[in-house]
Amino acid sequence: RKEVEQDPGPFNVPEGATVAFNCTYSNSASQSFFWYRQDCRKEPKLLMSVYSSGNEDGRFTAQLNRASQYISLLIRDSKLSDSATYLCVAENYGGSQGNLIFGKGTKLSVKP
Amino acid sequence: DAGVTQSPTHLIKTRGQHVTLRCSPISGHKSVSWYQQVLGQGPQFIFQYYEKEERGRGNFPDRFSARQFPNYSSELNVNALLLGDSALYLCASSLVLSGDEQFFGPGTRLTVL
Repeated sequence: RKEVEQDPGPFNVPEGATVAFNCTYSNSASQSFFWYRQDCRKEPKLLMSVYSSGNEDGRFTAQLNRASQYISLLIRDSKLSDSATYLCVAENYGGSQGNLIFGKGTKLSVKP
Repeated sequence: DAGVTQSPTHLIKTRGQHVTLRCSPISGHKSVSWYQQVLGQGPQFIFQYYEKEERGRGNFPDRFSARQFPNYSSELNVNALLLGDSALYLCASSLVLSGDEQFFGPGTRLTVL
């Protein structure tokens, strides 16, 4: 089982739609969680951190459920510019678990 | 302020050769991490260095090695290249060892023929 698993996608949605991405992680020792965005042939860039209390940044809302080891990202009123791959990330510490553990990514295409 | 820089941007090597990739972190950042991203996958952690010491290692063979210099720049070395080493190699820097945003460089695209 992969450490971080995401919806396979791709998600093809019209402008203005609401889209939700889900993610699960297997290592209960994971302490910090993030959503990164990656445009085609570019580097990943931090979209937002994810907290147990939930956090919102404009049209984007992220949620973390530690009990079920589940992370979500909600995008409201989708824009053409939201088209990208969204990477769910867990941060581990110590041992051989490594640093940032990325999911495979979910591709979003927003159409006019 | 300059972001994370990496060199070269593209590289073509043949099997069995050796490669050195370079990374300069954002000024003031002491942590540098290396990731490998193959097509269609998320980045996979290779190494983390903090204050010139190795602080984390992913599940990669000993052909992969790295180091961090006193100015916090870093090199990733890969020996005896295999076709499967073809990937985008990403460097990320952060202020501290953990819990902080990691800023990624544009990557080095390595092709092994």
